[in-house]
Amino acid sequence: DAKTTQPTSMDCAEGRAANLPCNHSTISGNEYVYWYRQIHSQGPQYIIHGLKNNETNEMASLIITEDRKSSTLILPHATLRDTAVYYCIAKAGRGSTLGRLYFGRGTQLTVWP
Amino acid sequence: KAGVTQTPRYLIKTRGQQVTLSCSPISGHRSVSWYQQTPGQGLQFLFEYFSETQRNKGNFPGRFSGRQFSNSRSEMNVSTLELGDSALYLCASSLGRGEETQYFGPGTRLLVL
Repeated sequence: DAKTTQPTSMDCAEGRAANLPCNHSTISGNEYVYWYRQIHSQGPQYIIHGLKNNETNEMASLIITEDRKSSTLILPHATLRDTAVYYCIAKAGRGSTLGRLYFGRGTQLTVWP
Repeated sequence: KAGVTQTPRYLIKTRGQQVTLSCSPISGHRSVSWYQQTPGQGLQFLFEYFSETQRNKGNFPGRFSGRQFSNSRSEMNVSTLELGDSALYLCASSLGRGEETQYFGPGTRLLVL
């Protein structure tokens, strides 16, 4: 599975858009980009995922570059409750590691008032 | 639909004891994966069960084992507990085809004294 690289921490003002980058330059064609977040000591919460196209749901938008080497998670109007560690994961769509999630250290996003 | 549930939520054991943790997946989900989270190592994959069979296994010693029942509920067992086994143990469920989203439970926090 491809490794992902994320900044260790980011800040964002409440009400502004939070843009969280992720680098996955070794991603293969069958690997999806998944985003989860974890609020302190709780279970990770699924946010969004994509393969090639940009995706949007009620929580966030995912922008994947055309070469698929990087992506950006966008929280359009960050609130204090969005303060969490955000994980970007490249997940195999088939093969021997199917179903396994490899978590890195993630990005600690702090939303301030 | 009810989410993934884990019991107990908190547990204190002493070195040398054994422990069993339980996970009930989302209704209709047939795959259950287990993860260990520690401050030092982050989130690490333990194993995955699908249709009562272990389908995938991480790099943990044989003291860590699991099983899945016909109703998809899963248990994991840790024998001969060590201080380093203190962690948040998370389970995640999915439909089981592999490429779909995993949803996490709240976790069981285990403290080994």
